[in-house]
Amino acid sequence: DTEVTQTPKHLVMGMTNKKSLKCEQHMGHRAMYWYKQKAKKPPELMFVYSYEKLSINESVPSRFSPECPNSSLLNLHLHALQPEDSALYLCASSQDHASGMYNEQFFGPGTRLTVL
Amino acid sequence: QKEVEQNSGPLSVPEGAIASLNCTYSDRGSQSFFWYRQYSGKSPELIMSIYSNGDKEDGRFTAQLNKASQYVSLLIRDSQPSDSATYLCAVSNNQGGKLIFGQGTELSVKP
Repeated sequence: DTEVTQTPKHLVMGMTNKKSLKCEQHMGHRAMYWYKQKAKKPPELMFVYSYEKLSINESVPSRFSPECPNSSLLNLHLHALQPEDSALYLCASSQDHASGMYNEQFFGPGTRLTVL
Repeated sequence: QKEVEQNSGPLSVPEGAIASLNCTYSDRGSQSFFWYRQYSGKSPELIMSIYSNGDKEDGRFTAQLNKASQYVSLLIRDSQPSDSATYLCAVSNNQGGKLIFGQGTELSVKP
């Protein structure tokens, strides 16, 4: 199985809602990532988990809260978002983040988030 | 100065031609180089990885790396309309797993 799955595919939420995005991989990868992508822009790294520990937080606002319950799962909890947070949220995984091919990142299909 | 730069698109080529996509990077410590293809409304798909100087071929795709010139390219031979997509160059210094993406080049292959 070489797939990263994400749920839901689409999410519409109000600014006062709390919701969660989910990501799962069964490739035995030990590094997982959250990215945000706006239209016509490249993916922008938000968080990196390595061996289930948060290793990079790219100064993301606290209204985004990541969680890694186990080596296969990654969640992104959302609370009090702003309309400008509307974007495609991508999860990715890699074997780890050592050199070369171990850092090949495979993306899930993404969750398209709209904040009203 | 942008860390990873790609030639601005859109790049339009006729079907059957060679499409050439270019990328330069500023960090001399960069070790790993990736090309992703992203169709409109979809997520990025890894199509090529290259780690050492020279050429790497996979089917119709050839990646070329020149670390001295800090340059990486992707050639697509016999371009097909299905190759029409945005191609993202990504570079890593192998520290922490962070990929630095270029802005992407939009490729259009005309039948």
